[in-house]
Amino acid sequence: DTGVSQNPRHKITKRGQNVTFRCDPISEHNRLYWYRQTLGQGPEFLTYFQNEAQLEKSRLLSDRFSAERPKGSFSTLEIQRTEQGDSAMYLCASSLEDTYEQYFGPGTRLTVT
Amino acid sequence: AQSVAQPEDQVNVAEGNPLTVKCTYSVSGNPYLFWYVQYPNRGLQFLLKYITGDNLVKGSYGFEAEFNKSQTSFHLKKPSALVSDSALYFCAVRTTYTGGFKTIFGAGTRLFVKA
Repeated sequence: DTGVSQNPRHKITKRGQNVTFRCDPISEHNRLYWYRQTLGQGPEFLTYFQNEAQLEKSRLLSDRFSAERPKGSFSTLEIQRTEQGDSAMYLCASSLEDTYEQYFGPGTRLTVT
Repeated sequence: AQSVAQPEDQVNVAEGNPLTVKCTYSVSGNPYLFWYVQYPNRGLQFLLKYITGDNLVKGSYGFEAEFNKSQTSFHLKKPSALVSDSALYFCAVRTTYTGGFKTIFGAGTRLFVKA
C-alpha cells in the first residue's frame, strides 16, 4: 500500500491556460474523490467516482472543470481556461465502498498568475 | 443547510495537559462524523470516526471523540497533549441524500502544544 499519490505537486500557469492533474488512489479502493482547499478553509467537495462512474459533481464546479476515471483506477482533473480564482490546493482521496474514512493524497498546489 | 462548525481557529495547550478541539454539526438524518489531522506539508490523515454505537470513539495517536446527539457535537479530546500533536485538525460529516452522499469539512482548528 503506497498511499494516494498526486502529480504534479505544484503547478504554476498563466491565466487562460489549461491544466490537468492526476491522482492515483490506493489500489483496492473503488471510490475516488476530488476536493479543493484554499487557505484557512477545509476541503471543499468537487466530485467523486465509484469505479469509473462519476456519481456526484458539486454545483460549485463550473463547466471549465472536468474529471475522469476511465478504467476505475487513476483519475484526472482538468481545468480549462484557468482563472486566478482557481488558485488553490487540489486534493484527491480514495476509500473503500463499505468504509467511510477517506485517505488523502498530498495535493497539487495550483497557482494561476 | 447542512454544515460543520469548528468555533475555534486556534487552541493552545501546554504539553501534558488535556486538550479539546470543538466541533458542532447540522445535518438531516443520522450523521457519520470524522476527525482528520493535517501536518505541515503532508496530506490529511484520518484520526477517527463515529458511525453508530458507543458515543465515545477512540482513534489514532491516543485521540478520542465524544458524539453528543442532543448537543449535535463531536469534540476531539486527548488526555495528555504532546508537542507533536501540534497540527491542523478538521471535523467532517458525511451527509446522505437521495441518490448520493458527500462529506462536508469544517474550516479547521490549529492546535498548538507548548513544551
